[in-house]
Amino acid sequence: DIQMTQSPPSLSASVGDRVTITCRASQPISTFLNWYQHKPGKAPKLLIYAVSILESGVPSRFSGSGSGSEFTLTISSLQPEDFASYYCQQTYSTTWTFGQGTKVEIK
Amino acid sequence: QVQLVESGGTVVQPGRSLRLSCAASGFTFSSYAMHWVRQAPGMGLEWVAMISFDGSNKYYADSVKGRFTISRDISKSTLFLQMNSLRGEDTAVYFCARDVVINNNDALDIWGRGTRVTVSS
Repeated sequence: DIQMTQSPPSLSASVGDRVTITCRASQPISTFLNWYQHKPGKAPKLLIYAVSILESGVPSRFSGSGSGSEFTLTISSLQPEDFASYYCQQTYSTTWTFGQGTKVEIK
Repeated sequence: QVQLVESGGTVVQPGRSLRLSCAASGFTFSSYAMHWVRQAPGMGLEWVAMISFDGSNKYYADSVKGRFTISRDISKSTLFLQMNSLRGEDTAVYFCARDVVINNNDALDIWGRGTRVTVSS
């Protein structure tokens, strides 16, 4: 199975901060990398697919980049509604895997 | 509107079985692959299983292979997860999700709100 390693596991940030989350795959996965946002008690939400393509309706402060096995999710200016957990996910293999998640908390 | 609603979660003893359901509405259910994803207490998301749009292909996480079975009833627009030989580590909120193919990439674009399964004696 392809392992996905996210860092950091958690971070504290203030409104307006630039936030970067990293995701590393245990092998190259081409562009088969998605990012999700999840808030407690809610359904997870697709943010970015195919490394860098924003899902419809997702604010432009979210962006994704990377290639091969190293990927990044960036929030350019953190907003109050962005405090949540974020997960990368690979869909390269027939069995998918998520990263362990990054919890973004208010400083 | 496009919606997925899970049901069937409850408290069950170790070793017993349980079947979860996911009712789909607002889209052509038979055109999409579907998935189950779970989140154990205090943990992250874990992909569990996938079924192709026509039910011909099924894939499972190693943690549930041989114990869980994913299926679908096209006539009822419903996805199922049959869970046998349940263990404490299967305790989680179970989400169903729709698989959309965009630019040759798969992603889960529609999710339900989940149903809670607790495995405990």
